[in-house]
Amino acid sequence: GNSVTQMEGPVTLSEEAFLTINCTYTATGYPSLFWYVQYPGEGLQLLLKATKADDKGSNKGFEATYRKETTSFHLEKGSVQVSDSAVYFCALKSGGYQKVTFGTGTKLQVIP
Amino acid sequence: EPEVTQTPSHQVTQMGQEVILRCVPISNHLYFYWYRQILGQKVEFLVSFYNNEISEKSEIFDDQFSVERPDGSNFTLKIRSTKLEDSAMYFCASSELDTSNQPQHFGDGTRLSIL
Repeated sequence: GNSVTQMEGPVTLSEEAFLTINCTYTATGYPSLFWYVQYPGEGLQLLLKATKADDKGSNKGFEATYRKETTSFHLEKGSVQVSDSAVYFCALKSGGYQKVTFGTGTKLQVIP
Repeated sequence: EPEVTQTPSHQVTQMGQEVILRCVPISNHLYFYWYRQILGQKVEFLVSFYNNEISEKSEIFDDQFSVERPDGSNFTLKIRSTKLEDSAMYFCASSELDTSNQPQHFGDGTRLSIL
């Protein structure tokens, strides 16, 4: 079946530091990959997506590249801000299955 | 930007009572979903719904759960006889299509607390 593994948190960074949150997956077929973000007290918001190998999704300074050879979709940002503090979820959706499969989430805390 | 809205934001219920969680999906979306997140755990799929029928459900979605689209805008999740372990955040989601590249759009969730 499908599964998503992402790095354990919490991750604590100083403002303007470089962020990487690792995500790897196993899936049947050719999945689409997503990063969702959950700010404190809010729901899940789609941050970015990539639908085929070597695609790069990007939004709000965040990027992730769909790497089929390593089955990875790591999230990166060059310079984090305090407002980026949230829980980040890697997720996938594979054709033929309607559900989204989520990772466990990685809490990011950015300190001034 | 259109949003999925959920009510109430927090529901407190006695064990054994019925609870109905409500969702208004994005208006032109055709596929609807419920997920739950037990505190500190993964977001888990419960059920998907299309054309007034359940199209997929997980093993969590047992006979105590049901979903309904009672009118053209609402989508509800009912738990008939709540248990302590039903305490979780419940998320509703919708999507326009159900191809793998279509993201699902989530609401802010309803926190369900069973006493």
